[in-house]
Amino acid sequence: DAGITQSPRHKVTETGTPVTLRCHQTENHRYMYWYRQDPGHGLRLIHYSYGVKDTDKGEVSDGYSVSRSKTEDFLLTLESATSSQTSVYFCAISESRDYEQYFGPGTRLTVT
Amino acid sequence: SQKIEQNSEALNIQEGKTATLTCNYTNYSPAYLQWYRQDPGRGPVFLLLIRENEKEKRKERLKVTFDTTLKQSLFHITASQPADSATYLCALEEATGNQFYFGTGTSLTVIP
Repeated sequence: DAGITQSPRHKVTETGTPVTLRCHQTENHRYMYWYRQDPGHGLRLIHYSYGVKDTDKGEVSDGYSVSRSKTEDFLLTLESATSSQTSVYFCAISESRDYEQYFGPGTRLTVT
Repeated sequence: SQKIEQNSEALNIQEGKTATLTCNYTNYSPAYLQWYRQDPGRGPVFLLLIRENEKEKRKERLKVTFDTTLKQSLFHITASQPADSATYLCALEEATGNQFYFGTGTSLTVIP
């Protein structure tokens, strides 16, 4: 398995609180991605990074921000969590743009 | 509007038969298409990638085809086994830009 971990694995938080999810890789891959997975919608791209400090928006970026200060870490922040952000969040990595993606184990986030 | 549609219902087949899963897309111009497998509670696992200029790709018991005229990819599992039971996701990246999109998946059950 690709060396990719996510933390925390589970989190329950209240509406309006900030939340940060962490993705850590040991593969030195250039690309990192954050997805959310919801029933009926499948996986949707939130943000991605193509290098340190290089990030761009995905399909559902509203309400989320990201940062990548080191190759191995990609952080996803919900500035003020809402119930609609209750979801399972997956991080993924890839060597290059048109290579396969390796996914982390996911973080289940519940916003009450 | 853009959409990726996979088999709308769960697929049940007998062990030893060939499973065929479909992925149809609308209003995308994909550079390539990928297939992933996802087990409950786990992140997706990459299976195959096929590029826009390729008609067919094989890997062991797996075969994927890509028809850009029909805007369709077919994913075949030959000699299916109960261990092949999972949800299968197709995904594509637009030829322009770095946006990556997943279908909602097809749940496959192989009956012993």
